[in-house]
Amino acid sequence: GAVVSQHPSWVICKSGTSVKIECRSLDFQATTMFWYRQFPKQSLMLMATSNEGSKATYEQGVEKDKFLINHASLTLSTLTVTSAHPEDSSFYICSATMGGNEKLFFGSGTQLSVL
Amino acid sequence: GENVEQHPSTLSVQEGDSAVIKCTYSDSASNYFPWYKQELGKGPQLIIDIRSNVGEKKDQRIAVTLNKTAKHFSLHITETQPEDSAVYFCAASSNFNKFYFGSGTKLNVKP
Repeated sequence: GAVVSQHPSWVICKSGTSVKIECRSLDFQATTMFWYRQFPKQSLMLMATSNEGSKATYEQGVEKDKFLINHASLTLSTLTVTSAHPEDSSFYICSATMGGNEKLFFGSGTQLSVL
Repeated sequence: GENVEQHPSTLSVQEGDSAVIKCTYSDSASNYFPWYKQELGKGPQLIIDIRSNVGEKKDQRIAVTLNKTAKHFSLHITETQPEDSAVYFCAASSNFNKFYFGSGTKLNVKP
């Protein structure tokens, strides 16, 4: 299957700082990337959908100014958690699809801990 | 929007037995149904999928069945092994758009 690389796998930061998470499709062009948030023992909660070269579409309740998403190329999307607070601590996962193919492939996830 | 329900939330089976996880969906426009396996601290991994024009699909010990009329689909794992222990998620999607996930099933295969 297609490979989606996500970095970093874990990050610890101080409250008030910003953290950037990268998601790369290694062997295909990802026309659409999705960002999810997952709390312990819970399902995946869709945060936003991003298409290359256009603004991300955020789900209801997700602050777009806090969770900045950039999809500058067909192989890279980034999620920046700005002014992080302890309540932002969570497991963030990206996923990607290629044009004309409905299969959704996930990155390995990023565990964010805000102190 | 689509609502995907998944049962059971936890499932314990003895090694070698079969495991069945069931999901229902609400939107008749959904036409693609993948299943994912997630191990602790990792991202979900696609293990099998099925499209709405097919009733059943099998890949070695894993099979998925779909009943469009009843709007439900199931994952079947035969001859379970300890390495099958993980959390399994079903999902539904319509024409490559949003993917709606079930709440997950924690499968424990006892040696």
